[in-house]
Amino acid sequence: QVQLQQWGAGLLRPSETLSLSCAVYGAPFTDFFWSWIRQSPGKGLEWIGEINFRGSTYYNPSLQSRVTISVDSSRNQFSLRLNFVTVADTAVYYCARGPSGMYRASFDYWDQGALVTVSP
Amino acid sequence: QSALTQPASMSASPGQSITISCTGASSDIGSYNLVSWYQQHPTRAPKLLIYEVTKWPSGVSNRYSGSKSGNTAFLTISGLQAEDEADYYCSSYVGDSNYVFGSGTKVTVL
Repeated sequence: QVQLQQWGAGLLRPSETLSLSCAVYGAPFTDFFWSWIRQSPGKGLEWIGEINFRGSTYYNPSLQSRVTISVDSSRNQFSLRLNFVTVADTAVYYCARGPSGMYRASFDYWDQGALVTVSP
Repeated sequence: QSALTQPASMSASPGQSITISCTGASSDIGSYNLVSWYQQHPTRAPKLLIYEVTKWPSGVSNRYSGSKSGNTAFLTISGLQAEDEADYYCSSYVGDSNYVFGSGTKVTVL
């Protein structure tokens, strides 16, 4: 059974750095890309970026200047850093499997999500 | 890249069918057969329903079906049930290793 579990700070001030990590259990970490996706309160989903076990990354162009996704393949973990956060970055952040893997260009396993609030 | 356009809400009675549209552009939905659909119940993570426009992941009911015409993709839910009341999102590959989601549709079962 594939499971993803994330952790990180849930409350930030503007201009601080958001930092989240996600551990993967029950899946061959090397066979897939792994993504971060967020959902602002009452709004839709936004793909942030992806990484594979080698550290190859792709980012949403709208966030690319502030985002870094990294990987620790020895621990089956990947992480998200988002610099200079603003109130607009308040969202539920998800880590997910995809978009490359069993089901092409899609995200088939998600964690439960974590609310990150940015408040002055 | 703007979000794909979906109707904000739709409703139907149990047993009926409902079709949700997802409109993009010639550069995304129109260029790639890489549309996926997700169901999200309140406070839950999204669940993959359809990938590559028409394909079902293992374990997903065939009451959900996908299609595409030009720059618009569709999700049809047949034999609507109370458990289908949820938010639905489309997603598409838009080139240059980038993905975009739809604005979301809230489905109400009357």
